[in-house]
Amino acid sequence: QKEVEQNSGPLSVPEGAIASLNCTYSDRVSQSFFWYRQYSGKSPELIMSIYSNGDKEDGRFTAQLNKASQYVSLLIRDSQPSDSATYLCAVNRDTGFQKLVFGTGTRLLVSP
Amino acid sequence: GAGVSQSPRYKVTKRGQDVALRCDPISGHVSLYWYRQALGQGPEFLTYFNYEAQQDKSGLPNDRFSAERPEGSISTLTIQRTEQRDSAMYRCASSLRAWGSYEQYFGPGTRLTVT
Repeated sequence: QKEVEQNSGPLSVPEGAIASLNCTYSDRVSQSFFWYRQYSGKSPELIMSIYSNGDKEDGRFTAQLNKASQYVSLLIRDSQPSDSATYLCAVNRDTGFQKLVFGTGTRLLVSP
Repeated sequence: GAGVSQSPRYKVTKRGQDVALRCDPISGHVSLYWYRQALGQGPEFLTYFNYEAQQDKSGLPNDRFSAERPEGSISTLTIQRTEQRDSAMYRCASSLRAWGSYEQYFGPGTRLTVT
């Protein structure tokens, strides 16, 4: 079982719709969770971080964390074609273990 | 302000040669990380530093790989006797603090091709 799992996609949504990206992780002691956006040929760009159960909203983005289910998701409201990219979920274990473990990413396609 | 910078952006080398990849973190960032990313995959951890101290090198594939950060700022990842399987995108990231939030910010990467 991979430490961080994501559906590779592509996830196709029409412009204006809500895109829902999901991620599960295997290590129960994981404490910090991150979503990165990566455009083709570019480097990962941090868009959201979440550390406690519940929702965290930032503009059109909402991260949701459920530690009991070992599940973290990213919702993108009012999706735009410019949101088309690969979204990487990353997990950090806890204090003293600073490395991030990444999923393989979900490719999102937003059609006009 | 300036982000993480890496040089060179592209490096083509012949099998058996040594290469040195450089990373300059965001000014004031304490921690520096090296990752390797294969096509279609997420970044894979190699090693990281807090200040000048290498804290974890468990991700380095073998002893041909080494890294240093002598003054707690710029870091160099060195690959000795390169092999074709070393071809990949090498990414550097930095974070402001060593404890607490670990938000990491990535540089543009160095594309290494071993022929």
